[in-house]
Amino acid sequence: EIVLTQSPGTLSLSPGERATLSCRASQSVGNNYLAWYQQKAGQAPRLFISGASSRATGIPDRFSGSGSGTDFTLTISRLEPEDFAVYYCQQYATAPLTFGGGTKVEIK
Amino acid sequence: EVQLVESGGGVAQPGGSLRLSCAASGFKFDDYAMHWVRQLPGKGLEWVSLITRDGGITHYADSVKGRFAISRDNSKSSLYLQMNSLRTEDSAFYYCAKGNQWLTDWWGQGTLVTVSS
Repeated sequence: EIVLTQSPGTLSLSPGERATLSCRASQSVGNNYLAWYQQKAGQAPRLFISGASSRATGIPDRFSGSGSGTDFTLTISRLEPEDFAVYYCQQYATAPLTFGGGTKVEIK
Repeated sequence: EVQLVESGGGVAQPGGSLRLSCAASGFKFDDYAMHWVRQLPGKGLEWVSLITRDGGITHYADSVKGRFAISRDNSKSSLYLQMNSLRTEDSAFYYCAKGNQWLTDWWGQGTLVTVSS
């Protein structure tokens, strides 16, 4: 099983600042099949990034994904008020599919 | 528009059973794999199971293997999760999700399962 470790657990930032979220895998993620999801309180997760770097439909370009192998990053270039939420990474290369523990981006 | 509506959640006793359903619309159901993912209230996400578009291949998380069974009825655009031998640690919101291959690209709003005596 591929274990995903996200850091930090909580990121306290102000609107307009840059956010950098990390996701590290215990072994290489094949084909860079790494996704990022955003979840707001009381809502289902929403796909933001797939294939490590491809934005899903409707996702603004201030969100970018990068990385390969075992180290992946989600960057939000300038935080907007609606971006404060929990973000999860997931690998979908190998069963069992696995999620990271999440990073909460909160308003400072 | 893609819609996934879960139902069947509720309260069950340890050792009991529940069957979850997911009604899909807005896309050609039999073209896509489908998943179940769960989330303990206030906690992280745990992938539970997936089924290929024709139902021929299924995969499960180790935590539910041998107790849960995923199935689908393409004629009804419906996905199911039969949960047997329930444990207190199975208490969670259960989400149905549409799969683009193994990527989950659209999620329902979830149904709550509580296992308690």
